Amino acid sequence: DVKVTQSSRYLVKRTGEKVFLECVQDMDHENMFWYRQDPGLGLRLIYFSYDVKMKEKGDIPEGYSVSREKKERFSLILESASTNQTSMYLCASRRDRDGYTFGSGTRLTVV
Amino acid sequence: SQQGEEDPQALSIQEGENATMNCSYKTSINNLQWYRQNSGRGLVHLILIRSNEREKHSGRLRVTLDTSKKSSSLLITASRAADTASYFCATPRETRQLTFGSGTQLTVLP
Repeated sequence: DVKVTQSSRYLVKRTGEKVFLECVQDMDHENMFWYRQDPGLGLRLIYFSYDVKMKEKGDIPEGYSVSREKKERFSLILESASTNQTSMYLCASRRDRDGYTFGSGTRLTVV
Repeated sequence: SQQGEEDPQALSIQEGENATMNCSYKTSINNLQWYRQNSGRGLVHLILIRSNEREKHSGRLRVTLDTSKKSSSLLITASRAADTASYFCATPRETRQLTFGSGTQLTVLP
């Protein structure tokens, strides 16, 4: 089975810190995605990538950046964490035309 | 606004009963997907139905798609307590990434 691994289940960071959320998939998928999930707002797409070194903005990219130096790894970066970035972050990957495989999520709290 | 919207927002049933959730969407699609999310976890892909299919089965799951009404339904038969979760429909955009609905919270009471 395809596995998507997010490096942390829970994370607490201070306002202003630079935060790295790591995501690794083991099935050579071309496409990788970062979503955040908030009560009442559902899943919102932050960034996605169709290939190595390629990135595209999603619906809410402000305050975030991403890095995809290797096919299996897609990192989400919070340049200067703020309290409104407290959320559940979900990484996903897929091969074209298939369903997504999600990681277990990282619950980030910014204090 | 969301491409897919699930109905109802919350559903509570007894173990052994069937659970039906509905999804409506706005634009033409080439497939529709259903996902399950257990509390505090990631989403799990359940089933994908293509636009030229009307019905699809997977175990206790039955999905229908009506492209003329832009709607889909997910039926879980003989529900179990372990089916308690949130269920989301998702549709692909032109640029291939998925848009998720707001979800139905299903509670199956033992």
